[in-house]
Amino acid sequence: AQSVTQLGSHVSVSEGALVLLRCNYSSSVPPYLFWYVQYPNQGLQLLLKYTSAATLVKGINGFEAEFKKSETSFHLTKPSAHMSDAAEYFCAVSERGNQFYFGTGTSLTVIP
Amino acid sequence: NAGVTQTPKFRILKIGQSMTLQCTQDMNHNYMYWYRQDPGMGLKLIYYSVGAGITDKGEVPNGYNVSRSTTEDFPLRLELAAPSQTSVYFCASRPGGLNYNEQFFGPGTRLTVL
Repeated sequence: AQSVTQLGSHVSVSEGALVLLRCNYSSSVPPYLFWYVQYPNQGLQLLLKYTSAATLVKGINGFEAEFKKSETSFHLTKPSAHMSDAAEYFCAVSERGNQFYFGTGTSLTVIP
Repeated sequence: NAGVTQTPKFRILKIGQSMTLQCTQDMNHNYMYWYRQDPGMGLKLIYYSVGAGITDKGEVPNGYNVSRSTTEDFPLRLELAAPSQTSVYFCASRPGGLNYNEQFFGPGTRLTVL
């Protein structure tokens, strides 16, 4: 069975500081992994995805994530937070492609 | 391309009323999905479709029905609204073929049942 755990429902960082949002997954087969961002009152937008081509994945807006099979993790990072990064972030996993399973989300606050 | 569009944006229903949430995509995607989003719960899959005429249940299908008569449209029907169905509903679509193709989301419908 697939599942996604996002540690920390709320994360606060200062502007310019490192952003680290955690995602751990469980999957019986090599998964496909995704990070989505949701701004207030909007739908979800894709940040980046892991498709097994490379373990370090770069996405939009300076975000990247590293797939670590031994740790079953796919943490999202950004070296320097910007005020515009304040949003809700969701990690998702897919095994067979028909269904996606989402984590409960992490709300990122950026402090000026 | 408009992408994925949803109507209405907001709706208030009384207990026991019925309504249909509309979802249309203009990207010729085979796969379409309906999710509900509750605070602190992430997204839960209600129903999905892998093509016209084919639908299947997700994690939380009770109280909902869907149909897929065309590639473009995937309406979600609530027959007897209950307060537990108060939520934000998102429709999404994705191309078929590659299993890692991502989903594209609509802007959502905020539904309140009183």
